[in-house]
Amino acid sequence: QLQLQESGPGLVKPSETLSLTCTVSGGSISSGSYYWAWIRQPPGKGLEWIGSIYYSGSTYYNPSLKSRVTISLDTSKTQFSLKLNSVTAADTAVYYCARAQGYSGYGPLRPWGQGTLVTVSS
Amino acid sequence: EIVLTQSPGTLSLSPGERATLSCRASQSVSSYLAWYQQKPGQAPRLLIYGASSRATGIPDRFSGSGSGTDFTLTISRLEPEDFAVYYCHQYGSSPPTFGQGTKVEIK
Repeated sequence: QLQLQESGPGLVKPSETLSLTCTVSGGSISSGSYYWAWIRQPPGKGLEWIGSIYYSGSTYYNPSLKSRVTISLDTSKTQFSLKLNSVTAADTAVYYCARAQGYSGYGPLRPWGQGTLVTVSS
Repeated sequence: EIVLTQSPGTLSLSPGERATLSCRASQSVSSYLAWYQQKPGQAPRLLIYGASSRATGIPDRFSGSGSGTDFTLTISRLEPEDFAVYYCHQYGSSPPTFGQGTKVEIK
């Protein structure tokens, strides 16, 4: 059964870079027809798609965050990572990783990781 | 950007009742519409994709319908574990967007 798990610092200072890793177990990250995605949810609010990556390295980024986001993939470690730079308090959220179906880069998401809360504060 | 508007914001129902949730898109997304269930402290769970296809392991009391701009998620008979927040998600156009959610609460 495919499982995803986020890891990384829970507290980041304003203007610094948020870095998270998602470890995939129980399946191959190199499988075609799936992208590997990051989504976030500010406390008490709705969901926002950050971006996603294909096993070949092709990426999709939400235009609203594109200038600050980098998603990368390490197939040997079955991990993919998120970097979001120049963070502000508005970037405080639960960050989820998930597998996205289809070839668009932003299809239906299943399964999801449990999520990790990242707080931006000095 | 396509805006998804979910209604109602909150639905108060009793176990055993039927729940009907709406998701309206600001422009057509064809059938590229998914529904998720989220319980407190948990990640969302995919229920429906392609507007009407149930994801693996989802009970058949959950059904989706619609195309274009108007979509519906129906829970035929509410079970205690169905009280949660439900989100729709369009993936027909970039950027992908989510609705603001409908909370189904116990009356």
